[in-house]
Amino acid sequence: EVQLVQSGTDVKKPGESLKISCKGSPYSFTNHWIGWVRQMPGKGLEWMGIIYPGDSDTRYSPSFQGQVTISADRSIDTAYLQWTSLKASDSATYYCVRRNSGNFPFDVWGQGTMVTVSS
Amino acid sequence: EIVLTQSPGTLSLSPGERATLSCRASQGVSSSFLAWYQQKPGQAPRLLIYGASTRATGIPDRFSGSGSGTDFTLTISRLEPEDFAVYYCQQYGSSFTFGPGTKVDIK
Repeated sequence: EVQLVQSGTDVKKPGESLKISCKGSPYSFTNHWIGWVRQMPGKGLEWMGIIYPGDSDTRYSPSFQGQVTISADRSIDTAYLQWTSLKASDSATYYCVRRNSGNFPFDVWGQGTMVTVSS
Repeated sequence: EIVLTQSPGTLSLSPGERATLSCRASQGVSSSFLAWYQQKPGQAPRLLIYGASTRATGIPDRFSGSGSGTDFTLTISRLEPEDFAVYYCQQYGSSFTFGPGTKVDIK
C-alpha cells in the first residue's frame, strides 16, 4: 500500500527553527510531486507548496512564499518542510500529499504532523 | 487565483437521505480539474472524486460528482453513518485552491 509517513508532533517556542519530514513508500518517489497542506485548528485546508523530487522543481503558494522552505532528498524518499523562525500563528497540522505527474489532485495523504508554537 | 465557495456551510441530514453539496468557482476551472475530499475528525482528508466526476479508487458508488465551468456538485445518494464528515472541493487546474468546506452532520 502506498503511504506517506510523517514525523511526529512537535512543540516549539517562538523564534525556533523546525524541519518536519514525509517519507514515501513503496512507489517511485522521484516521479511524483509531493506537496504540503496546512490546517489550522478548526479551520480548512490551505495549499502551501509542492516539489518534484526528480529535479527539485519547487512552487509555493503566494501566501507561503518566503515563510517556509520545501525540499526533498530522493536518496531516502523523503520530503521536508522547514521554518527558520516559528511564530505562534504557525501552530497547525501539516499534511504532506502526493500528486501524480500531469494534472491530478492529491491522491495520497500523510497522517499529519501537529506543530504547536508556544512560549 | 481561483476562489472556491461551498454551500451550504452545514448540512443536517438523517442516515438514508440524499446529500447535495455545491462548489462554485470565481472563474472557470480548466478541463474540469475539480476534486472532492472527505475529512473525518482527527483524520487526514481522503480523495473521493477527481476530474469533477471520476470516483477515486475504492470510493463507493453512492458518491457522485458533476458539473463543469464554475459550478460543481457532490451528491451522496443515501447517507451512511460513516459519511458524516466535512467535504472540501479543490481546483487543481491553475495552481491549487480549496473551498472552505461543507460539514454534513446528523440531524
